Amino acid sequence: NAGVTQTPKFRVLKTGQSMTLLCAQDMNHEYMYWYRQDPGMGLRLIHYSVGEGTTAKGEVPDGYNVSRLKKQNFLLGLESAAPSQTSVYFCASSRQGGFYEQYFGPGTRLTVT
Amino acid sequence: AQSVSQHNHHVILSEAASLELGCNYSYGGTVNLFWYVQYPGQHLQLLLKYFSGDPLVKGIKGFEAEFIKSKFSFNLRKPSVQWSDTAEYFCAVPSSGGSYIPTFGRGTSLIVHP
Repeated sequence: NAGVTQTPKFRVLKTGQSMTLLCAQDMNHEYMYWYRQDPGMGLRLIHYSVGEGTTAKGEVPDGYNVSRLKKQNFLLGLESAAPSQTSVYFCASSRQGGFYEQYFGPGTRLTVT
Repeated sequence: AQSVSQHNHHVILSEAASLELGCNYSYGGTVNLFWYVQYPGQHLQLLLKYFSGDPLVKGIKGFEAEFIKSKFSFNLRKPSVQWSDTAEYFCAVPSSGGSYIPTFGRGTSLIVHP
C-alpha cells in the first residue's frame, strides 16, 4: 500500500517548456487535489477532481490543466512554464471531500528558469 | 464561502514551553476539523481530527485540540514542546460549497529551540 505517489520528485524547466506531473493513489479515493506551496502563502488549491472523468478549478488554476482519466491517477500539466510557477507541488486524495482526512504525496519541487 | 484563520504565523519557543496555536473558521454548520503537520522537507500528515463527540481531541505526539463551537475555534495545544516539533502546522475545515473541498489556513511555522 503505497498511499499517494508523485513523479517526478524534482524538475528544472526552461521558460516556455511543458511538462506533466503524475499523481497516483491506491486507496480507491474519489477525490484528488493538486496544490502548490510557496513560502508564506500556505497551500493553494490549483485543481481538484471529485471522481473519475471530472475536474474543477481551484483557487489558482491559471497556467495549469489537469486530467483524471482513471480513478487512481490525477495528472497536472504545465503547457508553457513560467518562472512564477516555480513551487513545490503536492497531490492529495481523500475518500470524499473535506469531511474526510486528506492523504498527501511527497511533493514535486519544480524550478522554472 | 468558508474561511480559516490561523492568527499565529510564526512562533518561536524553547523546549518544554507550552504551545497553543489558534484556528478560527467562519462556517457555522456541521464541521469536521483537522490539524495537519508538515515537518521540514516533508509532506503534510494528519495530526488530529474532530468529527463529533468529545470536543477535546487527542492526536499523535502529545498534541490535543479543543473544539469550541460558540467561538468557531479549534485551537491546537501541547503542554511541553520538543525540538522535534519544529514544523509547519495547518488547520483545515470543509468548505461550505457543494463539493466540500478542504479549506486550509495559511499555516503556522513553529520553531523550537533546544
